[in-house]
Amino acid sequence: AQRVTQPEKLLSVFKGAPVELKCNYSYSGSPELFWYVQYSRQRLQLLLRHISRESIKGFTADLNKGETSFHLKKPFAQEEDSAMYYCALRPGGYQKVTFGTGTKLQVIP
Amino acid sequence: DAGVIQSPRHEVTEMGQEVTLRCKPISGHNSLFWYRQTMMRGLELLIYFNNNVPIDDSGMPEDRFSAKMPNASFSTLKIQPSEPRDSAVYFCASSLRGQGIKNIQYFGAGTRLSVL
Repeated sequence: AQRVTQPEKLLSVFKGAPVELKCNYSYSGSPELFWYVQYSRQRLQLLLRHISRESIKGFTADLNKGETSFHLKKPFAQEEDSAMYYCALRPGGYQKVTFGTGTKLQVIP
Repeated sequence: DAGVIQSPRHEVTEMGQEVTLRCKPISGHNSLFWYRQTMMRGLELLIYFNNNVPIDDSGMPEDRFSAKMPNASFSTLKIQPSEPRDSAVYFCASSLRGQGIKNIQYFGAGTRLSVL
């Protein structure tokens, strides 16, 4: 069975500092990895997918199969980045998505 | 499209009462998912449907929980009887089953349930 681990429940950084939200996964096949974000009082929404190799709102995430990680990074944090971030995994060919327990990012002005 | 619509937004009930949560997926989507969100366990998948048929209900905590999808535009999650430990935010999500950009799940605003 697949598993997604987000080791930090809370990450506090100062505005302008780099951000790295950690995500590790366990799955024997080829998974699809996602980052979802939930801003205060808003619904959960997709931030980015590993297969898109895109940068959204300055965030990037690279799939490292050797380390089974999919860390979310941003070089300079902004106050509006404060939110709950969930890493998620979907096994190839399946629909069931497994979410991590989430990391709350707090950007201090 | 208004997105995934859930009702009610908030529900407060007493232990032992029946609770029914409702979800209207995005029109045209053929997969629907129910999740529970708690501080301790994060987001947990309870059950999901494809074309109104339940595919995987292994996440449903116990027999007190049941879910139905009588048609493509409506689903319910019922808890009977409710217990204080059921207090959580319940999310519904829908997607269009397929490859690539499909299979992205779109979430509703959630129902915050408090069982006293």
